[in-house]
Amino acid sequence: DAKTTQPNSMESNEEEPVHLPCNHSTISGTDYIHWYRQLPSQGPEYVIHGLTSNVNNRMASLAIAEDRKSSTLILHRATLRDAAVYYCILRSADNFGNEKLTFGTGTRLTIIP
Amino acid sequence: EAQVTQNPRYLITVTGKKLTVTCSQNMNHEYMSWYRQDPGLGLRQIYYSMNVEVTDKGDVPEGYKVSRKEKRNFPLILESPSPNQTSLYFCASSPFHRTSDTQYFGPGTRLTVL
Repeated sequence: DAKTTQPNSMESNEEEPVHLPCNHSTISGTDYIHWYRQLPSQGPEYVIHGLTSNVNNRMASLAIAEDRKSSTLILHRATLRDAAVYYCILRSADNFGNEKLTFGTGTRLTIIP
Repeated sequence: EAQVTQNPRYLITVTGKKLTVTCSQNMNHEYMSWYRQDPGLGLRQIYYSMNVEVTDKGDVPEGYKVSRKEKRNFPLILESPSPNQTSLYFCASSPFHRTSDTQYFGPGTRLTVL
């Protein structure tokens, strides 16, 4: 199974960019890289996903290494509301077309006012 | 409002007393899934369903059952709960079972088995 590795925790100052890394050295060619975050006392929520190219949306950017063995979630201007646990997830299908989710350990992001 | 709902949100029960946690989505999604979240272990998938009457085991299916008789509902059944099933449970759904699909999570059910 493809696994992901993330730092346990990170801190960032408010209104500064944040770069959250994720290593997935055993990623397969069909795996999508998803990022979710979980705010306190809430269910996870989608942030962004990509396959090979860098992606941007209103919440964040996703930079994917050329060999796809790592990726970085970029929050361009962190706010206090971005304090959460961020999960890097690989979504893949096995030979029978079944879905398989592999969660990383998550990075707890603390924003310093 | 598009959402995934779970009931109950909190439940305290005793060992061996059968219980069901309901999950419902109003987005006509084909794919639904259950996860449990434990400290230090992150989220682990219990069961998933690609469509009505189609269910498959995730990473930690032991002690759980599911059914998918209707597209919108995906209940999680604990026939004989044990203390090691004390956990925070999340239901999720996505439009199809494509690896590019976004999953929408419910608010969670905190279960305590005494």
